[in-house]
Amino acid sequence: QVQLQESGPGLVKPSQTLSLTCTVSGGSISSGGYYWSWIRQHPGKGLEWIGYIYYSGSTYYNPSLKSRVTISVDTSKNQFSLKLSSVTAADTAVYYCASSRVTKIVFDYWGQGTLVTVSS
Amino acid sequence: EIVLTQSPATLSLSPGERATLSCRASQSVSSYLAWYQQKPGQAPRLLIYDASNRATGIPARFSGSGSGTDFTLTISSLEPEDFAVYYCQQRSNWPPAFGPGTKVDIK
Repeated sequence: QVQLQESGPGLVKPSQTLSLTCTVSGGSISSGGYYWSWIRQHPGKGLEWIGYIYYSGSTYYNPSLKSRVTISVDTSKNQFSLKLSSVTAADTAVYYCASSRVTKIVFDYWGQGTLVTVSS
Repeated sequence: EIVLTQSPATLSLSPGERATLSCRASQSVSSYLAWYQQKPGQAPRLLIYDASNRATGIPARFSGSGSGTDFTLTISSLEPEDFAVYYCQQRSNWPPAFGPGTKVDIK
């Protein structure tokens, strides 16, 4: 069974870059067949898909965040990462990493989530 | 961009009762709709994909139906562990998107 675990700073200052990493276990990112996503949830609110990456490095981003988002993959470490630049308080959220099959974009495995607060 | 709306926002029921949750899309998503359950402090869990297919390990009391723009998640008889927030998600159009959620709480 695939397991995902987010890691990274829980506090980021306004205008700085939010950086998170998701470590995948129980399966190899390099095996293909899956997209690796970042999804966020503002406090008490719904879910927002940020973007995903394939093991080859191909990326797909939500147009609403595209100008500030970079997702990268490190297959040697079985990890993928999120960078969100120029953050504001509106980026305060729980950030989840998740996986979905390439043929069916539904999110079947999720990390536990990590709260990132943007504050000075 | 497709917008999903869910109703009701909150559903207050007792254990053993039947829950009927609705998800409506602003334009057709064919059958490309999924449902998730989220409990406080936990990540969402996939329940249903492609409108009516239960994900691995999901009990039979959860069922999904619908196509086009109108979808329903039914919980035939609520168990105590079913009180949670439920989200729908479409994968028909870019980008994938979620509805605002329906909270099922204990009456």
